[in-house]
Amino acid sequence: DTGVSQNPRHKITKRGQNVTFRCDPISEHNRLYWYRQTLGQGPEFLTYFQNEAQLEKSRLLSDRFSAERPKGSFSTLEIQRTEQGDSAMYLCASSRGQDPYEQYFGPGTRLTVT
Amino acid sequence: ILNVEQSPQSLHVQEGDSTNFTCSFPSSNFYALHWYRWETAKSPEALFVMTLNGDEKKKGRISATLNTKEGYSYLYIKGSQPEDSATYLCATLVGDKIIFGKGTRLHILP
Repeated sequence: DTGVSQNPRHKITKRGQNVTFRCDPISEHNRLYWYRQTLGQGPEFLTYFQNEAQLEKSRLLSDRFSAERPKGSFSTLEIQRTEQGDSAMYLCASSRGQDPYEQYFGPGTRLTVT
Repeated sequence: ILNVEQSPQSLHVQEGDSTNFTCSFPSSNFYALHWYRWETAKSPEALFVMTLNGDEKKKGRISATLNTKEGYSYLYIKGSQPEDSATYLCATLVGDKIIFGKGTRLHILP
């Protein structure tokens, strides 16, 4: 257990529905990252926060995706109007601001869009 | 475009045998190289962070080497055990982002 938790662990949804995932990082970590991993690929960077500020977004993050970290603690990732191509493992990681080397990962949320 | 390549994609090793696999990455503007172990249904676990050319790190039966000039790293597992079955990911740090390879899926055969 790395101390980073994600909920839910699994989500099955129908195409067109909205889904929201939550990540609770290690409490003293001010950086939080979201990644997506599809079958046969390594995790791909989506976005990251320093405290509550979203500092960078990948071009993979279409306008159907939105991430928030309202109080600089937990974060949510919402996908609107899900598509089958959104089926993936969504990973969250956190790190201390001054040490980007040490990212601690949560167990991920596996999304299946039917 | 930054590309991190890992080979082989999948590997079957007899229990007790030693094995190794490769991660290659662009050598320009190198900052750091990470190795992670990712077991099914668990979080990816950091194994090593390597920054210096010629670096060699060890953790139990697992060790890694780094060549930043030619852009590769090897991960070695000595005397494979069933608990070593996992996907091994390497990644390089670009700014504050980690760029991952596709991983090597290791299966230890009893």
